Amino acid sequence: QQKVQQSPESLIVPEGAMTSLNCTFSDSASQYFAWYRQHSGKAPKALMSIFSNGEKEEGRFTIHLNKASLHFSLHIRDSQPSDSALYLCAVSGTGGYKVVFGSGTRLLVSP
Amino acid sequence: DMKVTQMPRYLIKRMGENVLLECGQDMSHETMYWYRQDPGLGLQLIYISYDVDSNSEGDIPKGYRVSRKKREHFSLILDSAKTNQTSVYFCASRRTGRQNTLYFGAGTRLSVL
Repeated sequence: QQKVQQSPESLIVPEGAMTSLNCTFSDSASQYFAWYRQHSGKAPKALMSIFSNGEKEEGRFTIHLNKASLHFSLHIRDSQPSDSALYLCAVSGTGGYKVVFGSGTRLLVSP
Repeated sequence: DMKVTQMPRYLIKRMGENVLLECGQDMSHETMYWYRQDPGLGLQLIYISYDVDSNSEGDIPKGYRVSRKKREHFSLILDSAKTNQTSVYFCASRRTGRQNTLYFGAGTRLSVL
């Protein structure tokens, strides 16, 4: 059974700082790696995803994937108070249908 | 407009009562999901539906069953609800394809007293 773990559990950063969030998974055959963001009381919403080893950048957000290390990460440049939310990483296994989420990292960006 | 709609948004039930949570989507997505979210546990997968009448257990199916008779509609049923089923339930849909995004509904907050 796929195991997905996130670190840290919570994080406080000052406005303008770089934020780094981590996710490890157990199935080396996983095919879908994504970050979702959930503001308080709202639905999770997809932020960005990656499918092959390497790096992908979209605006202030960068995602890194290293399948050999069973690790991927999200980096937020110039963090803003509006980035304060619960960040969930998601991974799907060989079949592709079952999407498993980590327990989340709660980010607070202080003005 | 891509939308996943969950009803009701809030529900209070007594232990032993039956519960029906409903989810609809307007994107003709084949795959739909039910998750529950508890503090510190992220999203836990209850059931997956690949299409009409084609459902599969997720990681925590015990105490739940599902029904999908139309592609746009996916129901979660709790027969004789238990207090430990108090949670926030999210439905999601996804176009078939291993790399596609999940779209979530706003959630149903269920309290079982």
